[in-house]
Amino acid sequence: DQQVKQNSPSLSVQEGRISILNCDYTNSMFDYFLWYKKYPAEGPTFLISISSIKDKNEDGRFTVFLNKSAKHLSLHIVPSQPGDSAVYFCAASVDQGGSEKLVFGKGTKLTVNP
Amino acid sequence: SAVISQKPSRDICQRGTSLTIQCQVDSQVTMMFWYRQQPGQSLTLIATANQGSEATYESGFVIDKFPISRPNLTFSTLTVSNMSPEDSSIYLCSVRQGVNEKLFFGSGTQLSVL
Repeated sequence: DQQVKQNSPSLSVQEGRISILNCDYTNSMFDYFLWYKKYPAEGPTFLISISSIKDKNEDGRFTVFLNKSAKHLSLHIVPSQPGDSAVYFCAASVDQGGSEKLVFGKGTKLTVNP
Repeated sequence: SAVISQKPSRDICQRGTSLTIQCQVDSQVTMMFWYRQQPGQSLTLIATANQGSEATYESGFVIDKFPISRPNLTFSTLTVSNMSPEDSSIYLCSVRQGVNEKLFFGSGTQLSVL
């Protein structure tokens, strides 16, 4: 049973346009959400996060929106650049007996075309 | 952010053999984590390695198959034992650091089992 779902395995957008990556979760106990970016042959790198007490967090071209009632979050990249082409993982965090555990989605491969 | 060196970066192994993956961090950390990413799947936590104690394994992972060593606060190894083609995955070492203790990853080990 997948607790964090990224239903789009891939997304292709034109340079300069907006990229919207979506993520759904099922566990209402999740209280912290993160996006990681992964280039081929590299480990995932942290991109942006949001606490469950907020509904929006912005960092430069990247904005994450959280809709708790819908158990849905999205990552907006605007404007998209070719260097943004990577696999993006959504992750959710829950405290388990004093230790925090991250649960990842399967990732969405974003391709930004010049 | 932590600098995590992981080796080997990739290997092709024969069925029934074992491979030990090394992870070196440039600073002392309490916990180190080992993840697996099977093809087309999400990152899945294998175990948490604490220095001076036995690793804590997640459901579905056992010490006999994935023995872990943690001899000091900057180093850990994961062994994939008696390998089968189903063990073909990317194996990732990670640590928590910084504000909100973000998860940082090594570059991963791409394992192919023939």
